[in-house]
Amino acid sequence: EAQVTQNPRYLITVTGKKLTVTCSQNMNHEYMSWYRQDPGLGLRQIYYSMNVEVTDKGDVPEGYKVSRKEKRNFPLILESPSPNQTSLYFCASSLWGSGGSSYEQYFGPGTRLTVT
Amino acid sequence: QQPVQSPQAVILREGEDAVINCSSSKALYSVHWYRQKHGEAPVFLMILLKGGEQKGHEKISASFNEKKQQSSLYLTASQLSYSGTYFCGTEFLLGGSQGNLIFGKGTKLSVKP
Repeated sequence: EAQVTQNPRYLITVTGKKLTVTCSQNMNHEYMSWYRQDPGLGLRQIYYSMNVEVTDKGDVPEGYKVSRKEKRNFPLILESPSPNQTSLYFCASSLWGSGGSSYEQYFGPGTRLTVT
Repeated sequence: QQPVQSPQAVILREGEDAVINCSSSKALYSVHWYRQKHGEAPVFLMILLKGGEQKGHEKISASFNEKKQQSSLYLTASQLSYSGTYFCGTEFLLGGSQGNLIFGKGTKLSVKP
């Protein structure tokens, strides 16, 4: 089954304790992206990647890191989480080609993070 | 830079029509539309590209006015399953990288029996 998986689905942590949220897709997609969703603010892009070793900042990259060492995986790293990073996080993937990101994005189920 | 969606919320009866608008202050390369039901991930509806190309589900229709930097999503003969929050996402033509998708705050659509 074609899918994007995220782990963990729920996480409660404390300020300053490094954490990683994993994202994996089995569709051989070149493009992957991370979003955070907060009430009333919509989806905001954190980082995106057009292919292995190619990443770029979205609109809210502060406090986050990413890496793309393999095509299928795109982990999101919070080196020193703070309470303002409490949010619902979505990973997404899609094809990427001469049309840029003009392809359907498939979203993972989301990771609900609480930082106390 | 975030596109503005209107209305913020709309309530319909089954069978009624609705239009959701998405406006940008900058020239657009593409507009993406997604629907999210409560507690679920967003699901793709349609992509509209500069130049007129569209990709999406057959039952969904939308328009893209490049000059006005606007897109509209048309929901006709609404069904209960149309309920959810609709998001438009925009890619800019200039001053931004392709792949940098900026979403609006969403339009909450409720369809009543």
